Amino acid sequence: EPEVTQTPSHQVTQMGQEVILHCVPISNHLYFYWYRQILGQKVEFLVSFYNNEISEKSEIFDDQFSVERPDGSNFTLKIRSTKLEDSAMYFCASSGAGVEQFFGPGTRLTVL
Amino acid sequence: KQEVTQIPAALSVPEGENLVLNCSFTDSAIYNLQWFRQDPGKGLTSLLLIQSSQREQTSGRLNASLDKSSGRSTLYIAASQPGDSATYLCAAEGDYGGSQGNLIFGKGTKLSVKP
Repeated sequence: EPEVTQTPSHQVTQMGQEVILHCVPISNHLYFYWYRQILGQKVEFLVSFYNNEISEKSEIFDDQFSVERPDGSNFTLKIRSTKLEDSAMYFCASSGAGVEQFFGPGTRLTVL
Repeated sequence: KQEVTQIPAALSVPEGENLVLNCSFTDSAIYNLQWFRQDPGKGLTSLLLIQSSQREQTSGRLNASLDKSSGRSTLYIAASQPGDSATYLCAAEGDYGGSQGNLIFGKGTKLSVKP
């Protein structure tokens, strides 16, 4: 069964460093998303992406964040200068022509 | 602004019981409501999606209902098993000023099914 994959599973970085989180959505899906979940808190929407551009973003998704679909299969989230409060589990999701969103296993980001 | 609330926050039941998890949302202008399961330290597994024109969906021992007018959804689990132990999340996708695709999540109900 097709699934969303994410790498790495765990990323540790120093405050101020740039990180790139990688996702491979389900191959025939057209809509892509990033969410995050700070430990013990709700899952929060960051950004949605369709037709090679951002279609919606939340207040969390400020200028430090960017997304890219560099080729036909990958979807990346970049954080330019990480802060301690960026420590969270980051989930990638995708959906097809239907509306059901399928989530990846997540990348745990730890900022020291 | 859409708010999603789940009650109870935690639930412990003996194996075999039927149970109901509740989800409420403040803005009835939703497109869809999706239920997920999350195991500790893991990703989200989609269980059921109810579109706004539907009132319920069923998959195996799971049945989810949606009442937009009252702002409620319930997830019914029949004949619970220890393997059902997980956190169950509901998420509303809505027409909140054009933000289709933006899932707003509740905090979840942590279910423990005892053998």
